[in-house]
Amino acid sequence: KAGVTQTPRYLIKTRGQQVTLSCSPISGHRSVSWYQQTPGQGLQFLFEYFSETQRNKGNFPGRFSGRQFSNSRSEMNVSTLELGDSALYLCASSTENEQFFGPGTRLTVL
Amino acid sequence: GESVGLHLPTLSVQEGDNSIINCAYSNSASDYFIWYKQESGKGPQFIIDIRSNMDKRQGQRVTVLLNKTVKHLSLQIAATQPGDSAVYFCAAQSESWGKLQFGAGTQVVVTP
Repeated sequence: KAGVTQTPRYLIKTRGQQVTLSCSPISGHRSVSWYQQTPGQGLQFLFEYFSETQRNKGNFPGRFSGRQFSNSRSEMNVSTLELGDSALYLCASSTENEQFFGPGTRLTVL
Repeated sequence: GESVGLHLPTLSVQEGDNSIINCAYSNSASDYFIWYKQESGKGPQFIIDIRSNMDKRQGQRVTVLLNKTVKHLSLQIAATQPGDSAVYFCAAQSESWGKLQFGAGTQVVVTP
């Protein structure tokens, strides 16, 4: 069974631009969560989607948004990028409690 | 507010010795805990979990201990190997939050 896949793996953007990251969960998993990982703040929860509905949301500004499609694939979008948005963005899919993480998308904002 | 933290940012262990990584959590409503391992360039990998109705759980070479009285959990790795070098995260969850809250991580360095 294929694991969680994330695309792209690496991305370089400039301040003010917007970006869309994609996540394909493990087949059969309906829950997808997104996290931001930085050296200073560690792993921080962004949001969780289940059956196309946002089920939980972390403490991030409205510039961070996401969605989930009927096939459980998920995207997250960050608008008006800031330097501080540079991070590793991780997606995790889950059944009940155990979460399986993807390799992440490394976003660098210049 | 809630917080999940680890006691040491870096742990240096000699190959073959046992490792102990500690984690404290602040929310007494936390009822589910997970340890993750993250190697360089990869996403976190599930190691072992434990629910609040247990105080010990064992896996392959790993043991998680939970002390709800002092809101502390630990991960013990037996006979640490070079492949165990990674950052280890604890995470806590409660039914009321619905989301995992991660600690800052402990870098484990295994020396020969």
